[in-house]
Amino acid sequence: GQNIDQPTEMTATEGAIVQINCTYQTSGFNGLFWYQQHAGEAPTFLSYNVLDGLEEKGRFSSFLSRSKGYSYLLLKELQMKDSASYLCAVRDWIKAAGNKLTFGGGTRVLVKP
Amino acid sequence: NAGVTQTPKFRILKIGQSMTLQCAQDMNHNYMYWYRQDPGMGLKLIYYSVGAGITDKGEVPNGYNVSRSTTEDFPLRLELAAPSQTSVYFCASSYSIQGSNQPQHFGDGTRLSIL
Repeated sequence: GQNIDQPTEMTATEGAIVQINCTYQTSGFNGLFWYQQHAGEAPTFLSYNVLDGLEEKGRFSSFLSRSKGYSYLLLKELQMKDSASYLCAVRDWIKAAGNKLTFGGGTRVLVKP
Repeated sequence: NAGVTQTPKFRILKIGQSMTLQCAQDMNHNYMYWYRQDPGMGLKLIYYSVGAGITDKGEVPNGYNVSRSTTEDFPLRLELAAPSQTSVYFCASSYSIQGSNQPQHFGDGTRLSIL
């Protein structure tokens, strides 16, 4: 099976940087996704990592280390609208058929003025 | 661009009642999924389908059934509603390219309460 851990909640100030960590254990890693979910809404795709290193998309970046079973999502120049839950999801080779994902519990980020 | 459409958005059921949650996608995705999300928790996979006529169980299938007669539609059936099934249900779909960077696209969810 898979085990995915993320912090439950984080608080940061508008304009600051926040790093959301995700650790996972899987039998055959095949990709990691980050999703953003505003309260009462559907998750929306943010980023994808399958090779080690940093993927940058504007204010958001995601990093992966496969040997450490570790990823982080970096949110820069925080805005009030970034207040949301951030979900880490892992795909492994066993579950790759069907493109199935296992989700972590999500990290709720609260941005304060 | 409709994407993934779920109906109804809200529903209250009595214990023992049955209902069907509807899901339709217009992106020609072969893969479709049903998740449930309990308050403050992540998503748990209930059932998934890799194409019309093919379905399989996810992590938490007990108490649910699905069917996939067309590529577009993937309804989720609750036969005997129980309080433990109170949750938010999300339907999702994705392209059928295994191991790719194609994400799953989610509907807006159905908020279901069993009383």
